Amino acid sequence: GNSVTQMEGPVTLSEEAFLTINCTYTATGYPSLFWYVQYPGEGLQLLLKATKADDKGSNKGFEATYRKETTSFHLEKGSVQVSDSAVYFCALSEPGNTPLVFGKGTRLSVIA
Amino acid sequence: SQTIHQWPATLVQPVGSPLSLECTVEGTSNPNLYWYRQAAGRGLQLLFYSVGIGQISSEVPQNLSASRPQDRQFILSSKKLLLSDSGFYLCAWSPGTDSSYEQYFGPGTRLTVT
Repeated sequence: GNSVTQMEGPVTLSEEAFLTINCTYTATGYPSLFWYVQYPGEGLQLLLKATKADDKGSNKGFEATYRKETTSFHLEKGSVQVSDSAVYFCALSEPGNTPLVFGKGTRLSVIA
Repeated sequence: SQTIHQWPATLVQPVGSPLSLECTVEGTSNPNLYWYRQAAGRGLQLLFYSVGIGQISSEVPQNLSASRPQDRQFILSSKKLLLSDSGFYLCAWSPGTDSSYEQYFGPGTRLTVT
């Protein structure tokens, strides 16, 4: 079946550092891809998405490009802030009326 | 705009007691609905999802059950809680006909079984 693999965390960065969180997927067909963010004690929020190959999703300074040739959707941000500390989940959609497939999440801690 | 509500926000229950968590969605019709559990420091575990009233798919066999008595209401229940039921319970919805299938999450319920 379809699956999502994220880099193991936690990731600890200094403020203003460059962020990359790797995400690769296995899927049949042409899934849509998503990044969600979960701040402490809260539910998940959709951060960005891409629905077809070579699409770039972006929001709040975060970007991710749908790379079909490498089956990847890596999350990047040029300069992280303390407020970006959260858990980040990569996810994909499967064909039909079924739930998203989520990765295990990557915890990011940004220190001042 | 659409909103999703969960209650209660926090709950402390003794082992063996019953459970009822409620989730409601406003501003949309015929949504797909989902229940997830998140253990401390862990990822998401899909428990149940529903594509319509009375239609429930169970992903993990356990002592929990779900019901959808109304189009925009989703209830998670248990007759007897176990210690292992502690966790953060998240409800989510998605547009039933949206081709991008993104899901929108509620604020969650923190359940502690003592």
